[in-house]
Amino acid sequence: GEDVEQSLFLSVREGDSSVINCTYTDSSSTYLYWYKQEPGAGLQLLTYIFSNMDMKQDQRLTVLLNKKDKHLSLRIADTQTGDSAIYFCAEREGKLIFGQGTELSVKP
Amino acid sequence: NAGVMQNPRHLVRRRGQEARLRCSPMKGHSHVYWYRQLPEEGLKFMVYLQKENIIDESGMPKERFSAEFPKEGPSILRIQQVVRGDSAAYFCASSGYDTEAFFGQGTRLTVV
Repeated sequence: GEDVEQSLFLSVREGDSSVINCTYTDSSSTYLYWYKQEPGAGLQLLTYIFSNMDMKQDQRLTVLLNKKDKHLSLRIADTQTGDSAIYFCAEREGKLIFGQGTELSVKP
Repeated sequence: NAGVMQNPRHLVRRRGQEARLRCSPMKGHSHVYWYRQLPEEGLKFMVYLQKENIIDESGMPKERFSAEFPKEGPSILRIQQVVRGDSAAYFCASSGYDTEAFFGQGTRLTVV
């Protein structure tokens, strides 16, 4: 079935690293995505990873993929208050299937 | 290259009226997806279209909702005889074949 799961909340202090976790169900997904949504705004594509990769790094963002466990994570280094938002992971099965979103709160 | 354009950004309709939401995909994209987001909730898939074809409408309510993506012009999500429960943010995304999907800013529908 289609089910992407994320923890709902994460709170960190400014300057710390944040790790947002996601589990997905479809082992045939070719792409896995991370999107960011700020209040009242649309979804901004942050990064994505091909299913044949284990890791992808893009500036402060690191994506790790464990295909065996169907586990995806997003690490944000040196988290800033401007990173406060809701983060969605998504898998591609033709359409995009989204998790419920993780609300990241960054405290100064 | 403009991003995905949705209009209107805000739409207010009385119960029983029709709502038409428009989505112009990014240049070169032929795949469009519509999602609904209720307050404090995630995104629920509604429909996936390619030019002139509905690929997957498994998330569309059986009544009152329809979508199209004509050969020319934007994709339209149409809600007939709106009810208060239709109040939500409706997001559109577009992509090429098996490429990353980009979202518009959404249309916030309020039914009064």
